[in-house]
Amino acid sequence: GAVVSQHPSRVICKSGTSVKIECRSLDFQATTMFWYRQFPKKSLMLMATSNEGSKATYEQGVEKDKFLINHASLTLSTLTVTSAHPEDSSFYICSAYPGLAGSQQFFGPGTRLTVL
Amino acid sequence: KQEVTQIPAALSVPEGENLVLNCSFTDSAIYNLQWFRQDPGKGLTSLLLIQSSQREQTSGRLNASLDKSSGRSTLYIAASQPGDSATYLCAVTEGGADGLTFGKGTHLIIQP
Repeated sequence: GAVVSQHPSRVICKSGTSVKIECRSLDFQATTMFWYRQFPKKSLMLMATSNEGSKATYEQGVEKDKFLINHASLTLSTLTVTSAHPEDSSFYICSAYPGLAGSQQFFGPGTRLTVL
Repeated sequence: KQEVTQIPAALSVPEGENLVLNCSFTDSAIYNLQWFRQDPGKGLTSLLLIQSSQREQTSGRLNASLDKSSGRSTLYIAASQPGDSATYLCAVTEGGADGLTFGKGTHLIIQP
């Protein structure tokens, strides 16, 4: 089956620092990758959609200058949380879409970010 | 804007019971609907995917139905087991390359 990895699985950082999260599709090429976040006891919310080689599309209310997304290849997307603050503490999950008709998004295992 | 609602928000039943989880969505123009399972502090496990042209999908003790015109889906779990305890999420998308809209989930506890 299609596998998506995320690294790191857990990160703790100080307020004001930047954190990079990687999302990789291990056995398929992803034309589109998505980033979601989940606050405690809340559901997942789509943050942004990224296509390889082009700028990401951000959902309303998500600051593009704070959450930098780079989709440099068909197997790798990165999310950088810049100048992180405690309110950015959340569970960040990526998904990858192979671009095949009838296919689905495949989700990574998630990254738990804690900002002190 | 698509909205997904799941009822009930929480459910606790004895082991062995059959149960139904409900999901409704406001815009019937969906591409597909998925049911996921999420264990505490973990990522998502995809359970069933129903394409917009399909009416139901089955996997083991799980059966999901889709009534696109009325904006409803149900997840039926047969002969529930303590290992089924988790949060179950319903999500829809309006295109293969579009993001998913998730419900808030049903927190399920199966009592041994």
